[in-house]
Amino acid sequence: KQEVTQIPAALSVPEGENLVLNCSFTDSAIYNLQWFRQDPGKGLTSLLLIQSSQREQTSGRLNASLDKSSGRSTLYIAASQPGDSATYLCAVKLNSGNTPLVFGKGTRLSVIA
Amino acid sequence: NAGVTQTPKFRILKIGQSMTLQCTQDMNHNYMYWYRQDPGMGLKLIYYSVGAGITDKGEVPNGYNVSRSTTEDFPLRLELAAPSQTSVYFCASSYTGTGAGNYGYTFGSGTRLTVV
Repeated sequence: KQEVTQIPAALSVPEGENLVLNCSFTDSAIYNLQWFRQDPGKGLTSLLLIQSSQREQTSGRLNASLDKSSGRSTLYIAASQPGDSATYLCAVKLNSGNTPLVFGKGTRLSVIA
Repeated sequence: NAGVTQTPKFRILKIGQSMTLQCTQDMNHNYMYWYRQDPGMGLKLIYYSVGAGITDKGEVPNGYNVSRSTTEDFPLRLELAAPSQTSVYFCASSYTGTGAGNYGYTFGSGTRLTVV
């Protein structure tokens, strides 16, 4: 059974700092991996989607990397801002069929001004 | 483009009551899903559908039912509400084709349900 773990569960950093969020998964035979952002009381917003054949994806100040063989992904946030404060969720899809996403429990990020 | 729309946003039910959570997507996604999110527990899959007329159970289906009569709509039904069903419910859809967005998920904004 695929399990997704995110460490740390919570993180507090000063504004301007670069930071890394970690995601690990037990079954390396994934189809893709997706990072989401969730603001308190809100839904999930997709940030980056990495297909299994890709090593990284970038969007603005965000960069997500994928190392399938070691079962790890990282989300790098450059020059953090208070508006980045949210919970960040990692999710993996096992294959291209009808298997659904498996989510980690998320990392709650606070960026202090 | 509205994406995935869920209604209602909030609801309070009494034990034993029933209700339907509505979900509609306008992106012509063939896959749709219902998740529940409990504090500290992450998201758990309730039911999913790979196309109109096809549904399947997820990790926590007990106490729920779904139907998928059209590509756009995927309602979730609670027949006899129980306090254990107090949660935030999210509907999602995904694109299954070729290209960079393949199997990327889009979520609705959620329905916060309290059963008392």
